[in-house]
Amino acid sequence: VLTQSPGTLSLSPGEDATLSCRASHLVNSEHLSWYQQKPGQAPKLLIFGASNRAPGIPDRFSGSGSGRGSGTAFTLTIHRVEPEDFAVYFCQQYGGSPLYTFGQGSKLEI
Amino acid sequence: QITLKESGPTLVKPTQTLTLTCTFSGFSLSDFGAGVGWVRRPPGKALEWLALTYWDDDDQYSPSLKSRLTVTKDSSNSHVVLTMTNMDPADTATYYCAHRQDGSGSFHHWGQGILVTVSS
Repeated sequence: VLTQSPGTLSLSPGEDATLSCRASHLVNSEHLSWYQQKPGQAPKLLIFGASNRAPGIPDRFSGSGSGRGSGTAFTLTIHRVEPEDFAVYFCQQYGGSPLYTFGQGSKLEI
Repeated sequence: QITLKESGPTLVKPTQTLTLTCTFSGFSLSDFGAGVGWVRRPPGKALEWLALTYWDDDDQYSPSLKSRLTVTKDSSNSHVVLTMTNMDPADTATYYCAHRQDGSGSFHHWGQGILVTVSS
């Protein structure tokens, strides 16, 4: 199980956002991803391997984990949130059973 | 450029079988490490992984839905079909297909999604 917090984060543009994803079991950092989803759109990959930005993702998005290898605590940070960043964010892990698990999502709102 | 697009019915009746097709281009399902997955999101709820077909013909399913799901590839290597039996109103969701390209398991590219409503 992946548990995301907070459920909703209210910020103003220019502030920093910190979103948490905690796993109930050890997750290989190489298999932890973050997605952004806006209303009416498909999810968009932001971060893979816990800390690697996907192509075209601005460097204000960064991901971190609890260290090398495996861990249970992962963070997505958005530095100086911009208006287009207000969306729902999901973490996802690959491996184990079920093969893929998503967190319940964190909504970033103005 | 990698693209994916879902197609199929947008309205099905309870107990019916849903068949969705993912048409993709820009990659081959024969590429080492490639996969096409299916993910859904019910209105107001979280993303839920359903199934994945790998380049090596291995197919994986969500344990909770495994008895209802089948994923197949066609010989043209440009379509993946998801079949879900015994549809229920709780299966109302936007269904996405997505491309997995490496061992990270991440879905780097997604289709636009198709909203499927289950109602009599």
